[in-house]
Amino acid sequence: QKEVEQNSGPLSVPEGAIASLNCTYSDRGSQSFFWYRQYSGKSPELIMFIYSNGDKEDGRFTAQLNKASQYVSLLIRDSQPSDSATYLCAVTPAGSASKIIFGSGTRLSIRP
Amino acid sequence: DAGVTQSPTHLIKTRGQQVTLRCSPKSGHDTVSWYQQALGQGPQFIFQYYEEEERQRGNFPDRFSGHQFPNYSSELNVNALLLGDSALYLCASSLAGANTEAFFGQGTRLTVV
Repeated sequence: QKEVEQNSGPLSVPEGAIASLNCTYSDRGSQSFFWYRQYSGKSPELIMFIYSNGDKEDGRFTAQLNKASQYVSLLIRDSQPSDSATYLCAVTPAGSASKIIFGSGTRLSIRP
Repeated sequence: DAGVTQSPTHLIKTRGQQVTLRCSPKSGHDTVSWYQQALGQGPQFIFQYYEEEERQRGNFPDRFSGHQFPNYSSELNVNALLLGDSALYLCASSLAGANTEAFFGQGTRLTVV
């Protein structure tokens, strides 16, 4: 079992709709949870982080964390063509201050 | 405020050679982590440096080594390059402590031929 699992996609969403990206993790003691966006050929860019159960909203982005289910998700409202990228889910495992474990990413495509 | 900077941006090396990649962390950050990202995969943790010492290490052979300088900048060295070492090498900086976010540099694209 991979430590962080994501559906590789591609996930195709019409412009203006809500894109929903999902991620599960295996280490129940994981402490911090991140979503990075990566455009082709570029480095990952941090877009959201969440530490506590529940929802966290920032502009068009909402991160949701359910530690009991070991599940984290990212919602993107009013999707734009510029949101087309690979979204990487990442977690900090138990006992590690800054080491980050990444999933393989989900490719998101916003169609006009 | 400068972000994380890496050099060089691209590099081509021959099998068996050695390479050194460099990273300057974001201002105020004291921890540097290195990642290897193969095409189509997520970044894989190589190691992390804090207070000039390797604090954590991922599942990478001893051919991969590093260093952190007093100004928090860091180097990644890879010896005896293999074709499979071709990847995007990413440096991430953060502030030591729990629940801290890591920010990535633009990466170094290494091609081994």
